[in-house]
Amino acid sequence: QSALTQPASVSGSSGQSITISCTGTSSDVGTSNYVSWYQQHPDRAPKLMIYDVNNRPSGISDRFSGSKSGNTASLTISGLQAEDEADYYCMSYTTSNTLFGSGTKVTVL
Amino acid sequence: QVQLVQSGAEVKKTGSSVKVSCKASGANLSNYLITWVRQAPGQGLEWMGGIIPVFGIADYAQKFQGRVAITTDESTSTAYMELRSLRSDDTAIYYCARGIQLLDYWGQGTLITVSS
Repeated sequence: QSALTQPASVSGSSGQSITISCTGTSSDVGTSNYVSWYQQHPDRAPKLMIYDVNNRPSGISDRFSGSKSGNTASLTISGLQAEDEADYYCMSYTTSNTLFGSGTKVTVL
Repeated sequence: QVQLVQSGAEVKKTGSSVKVSCKASGANLSNYLITWVRQAPGQGLEWMGGIIPVFGIADYAQKFQGRVAITTDESTSTAYMELRSLRSDDTAIYYCARGIQLLDYWGQGTLITVSS
């Protein structure tokens, strides 16, 4: 069981939009309706940002959105803000396997 | 408000075992699914396994099969994760979280340090 593949880092200027990819296989991301995304600030527990591919929990800004195409899921952050600087992880759940992504460090320039 | 409160940091010897607790408040544990995730220093998140308390059925990542046990005590609304035969690369922060398909509430994390 290998981690899902994410870019190690993504950066953008304040106000811009960025997209983080999460690539798996037809056995995990490609077949899962349960892809979620987590934000983690240093020395903090992860926080759920997106679930079931494209749903936002209550209280999460609509600047965060999710999508999926084939074996790749994506998280888009629009109107990038300083507080968005953090690590982001995708997670794919199926009844046979649960995998996290390798993580992406987002830097706001 | 759902809260998951974990036990404190521990230092363990190589080859020993550790049992981390995760106490739920704000709702009945039997209504939760509980997942355990770990994070080695400077590394990413790693799924260890999960449990459906009402059925007592646990599922584990292949990597930890035979070495980990996830249990619950509904009378105290507490979930446990026991890891045996500890190695130095088990040094990590261990998190409990509510859910299986999505993890919407997380404990604060428990640092387990393994040394010889």
